[in-house]
Amino acid sequence: EAQVTQNPRYLITVTGKKLTVTCSQNMNHEYMSWYRQDPGLGLRQIYYSMNVEVTDKGDVPEGYKVSRKEKRNFPLILESPSPNQTSLYFCASSHYRDTTGELFFGEGSRLTVL
Amino acid sequence: SQQGEEDPQALSIQEGENATMNCSYKTSINNLQWYRQNSGRGLVHLILIRSNEREKHSGRLRVTLDTSKKSSSLLITASRAADTASYFCATGLKLVFGKGMKLTVNP
Repeated sequence: EAQVTQNPRYLITVTGKKLTVTCSQNMNHEYMSWYRQDPGLGLRQIYYSMNVEVTDKGDVPEGYKVSRKEKRNFPLILESPSPNQTSLYFCASSHYRDTTGELFFGEGSRLTVL
Repeated sequence: SQQGEEDPQALSIQEGENATMNCSYKTSINNLQWYRQNSGRGLVHLILIRSNEREKHSGRLRVTLDTSKKSSSLLITASRAADTASYFCATGLKLVFGKGMKLTVNP
C-alpha cells in the first residue's frame, strides 16, 4: 500500500531534549516536505527536499533541521525543542511536482514540548 | 508567505445542499490543488486543475479556475455529513497552503 509513515504519532517532551520525527515513503517520490499546523495559522512549510541530498527552507525553518540521505526517508530534527514548537506536524511526498503534483500526507505527529 | 487563501473560513449547511468554497492566490501558477482534512488527520488530495484548464469535475466535485482573477472555486454538490472537514487550496512552486475552510454538513 502506498503510504507516508510518520513516527512517533504522539510525543510529549521537555524543553531542550533533542528529538527526531521520522518520515518514510514507499512510493519512490522525489519530493518530500514537512509542515506544521497550528490553529488559526493553517499549514506552514518547514523544509522541503527536491531530491536526495537537496533540501531547502520553507516558511518557518527556525529551530528545525532535516536531512535527505536516502530517497525514502526525510527525518525532522528538533535539536533543542521549545514550547513554541508544540504543534501538529505533517510529512508529505510527491512525484516531482511538475507532473501530477499531488501530495501524499502522513497521518501527522502531535508534539507537545513542556 | 501564504499563497492561497480560502473564503469563507467556515461554512455550515444542511445535507443535500451544495457547498462552494473560494480560493484566491497572488502569483502565476502551473496548477492549483484542493485538499481535504478530516479533524486532526493527514490531508487528502481531492483534485488538481492546471493553469490552462477552466473547469474540472471529479464525482460530486467541480473546480473552476480563473487565472485572470487569480481565483478558484470548489463546489461540492449534494453534500453529505461525511463531507464535514476542512478544505485547503494549495498552489505555487513550493505548494503553499491556505489556512483552510471548515465545512460542516448537518444531517
